Formats: sequence, structure tokens, C-alpha cells
Amino acid sequence: SYILTQPPSVSLAPGQTARIACGGNKIGTKSVHWYQQKPGQAPVLVVYDDTDRPSGIPERFSGSNSGNTATLTISRVEAGDEADYYCQVWDRSSDPPYVFGTGTKVTVL
Amino acid sequence: QVQLQESGPGLLKPSETLSLTCTVSGVSASSGRYYWTWIRQPPGKGLEWIGYVYYGGSTNYNPSLKSRVTISLDTSKNQFSLKLNSVTAADTAVYYCATARMWSNSYYFDYWGQGILVTVSS
Repeated sequence: SYILTQPPSVSLAPGQTARIACGGNKIGTKSVHWYQQKPGQAPVLVVYDDTDRPSGIPERFSGSNSGNTATLTISRVEAGDEADYYCQVWDRSSDPPYVFGTGTKVTVL
Repeated sequence: QVQLQESGPGLLKPSETLSLTCTVSGVSASSGRYYWTWIRQPPGKGLEWIGYVYYGGSTNYNPSLKSRVTISLDTSKNQFSLKLNSVTAADTAVYYCATARMWSNSYYFDYWGQGILVTVSS
């Protein structure tokens, strides 16, 4: 099965830029989606198809994908951005085809 | 606006069958736009895709659970359901129903239920 690896945690001060990596073999050839999950809540889609944002998601959230790493960038981090973040891909040649990353806890100091 | 709501027992004993229902509102469950999906998350851990049912009745399951899981669709009630047989403590998790949507030759999950905690304990 396809494996997506994320750093366990990222800590930063308000106003800084968070960059959350998602590593996978040739992930640049796949579409990557990102979810934000706050404690006790369901995940929320924040970026889909590498770079697109659903309506209602602030422009501070952006994504990129190339080579073996996809990245979710959160600019001007706020206290309300503190959450777990998961990347996800669909890989037709993998079983299961829907794969989530290991998750990254973003802490705003 | 699509809304999803999970329901079912929150406590099971080992070897019992987990049965959950997801009630859909805002869209018809017979719509071909979505794959009706179950995802779970053990306490303190990451997300695991369980499987989906599509409006024609076709299904796809995670191979790690395939021998124990059934997902079905009831369009008359606008609901879809999850059954997981022979549960153990390892099946303790928050279970989410969600919609998988195809986009640009990929799929993502755009709507989620609030989740239901199912605990397996003797």
C-alpha cells in the first residue's frame, strides 16, 4: 500500500508561517488533499487537488506538490489554526486506494 | 448543503457486530455525485478509510477489514450503513461517515458527519 509520512509536530508563534510536509513516493504525480482536525471535531477539507481551496477557507492556507513531497503552508498563523493536519491521496494502484498521512500536530505558542 | 449524521450503539462487547447508520440530508443518496464512505479514527491516532458504497450498490473495502465489513445503501431512507463483525478492542474508534467526491482523477472527502465513538469492552 502507498505510504504518506508527515512530521509529528510543528510549533510556531502567531504570525509565523507553518509548512507541513507530506512525503510519498512520486507524490508529485498524484493529487494531494489536506484536512484540518480540531480536538473533538471531524476533519475539515482545507486544500484539495494540491492547491485549491474550498469556499470559506482563508487564503492563508495554500498547497504545493512536487517530486516526493507535498506541502501545506499556513501563512500568518493564528491561535485558531492549532489543530492536527492530515494529507490524503487516492492511488488507483494501491490497496487501499484512499490513503491518509500520519498527521501533524500544529501548536501555536 | 450536505449534512451527515451517524447513529448507533456506542458500546459493544468483543465478538459482537458493530452497526452504524449515516443519515444524509441536503442531497439524495441515489445521487451518483458521491461515494458514501466510512472512515474511523482510534483514540489519539490517525484516520483510516474503511470503505464506500456507490449509488448503484457497488462497494470497495479496505483489505485489512474486508473479511468483516459490509457497507450498504438505503435510498428509500436516504441512509447508508456500516456493519463490522467480530469486533475486538482494536476496533474502538470514532467512526465518521463522509462523502468522497471525484475531482481531477482523484477523490477527496468534502462532507463529514460529526463522528460517533464506539468502544469495545467486556
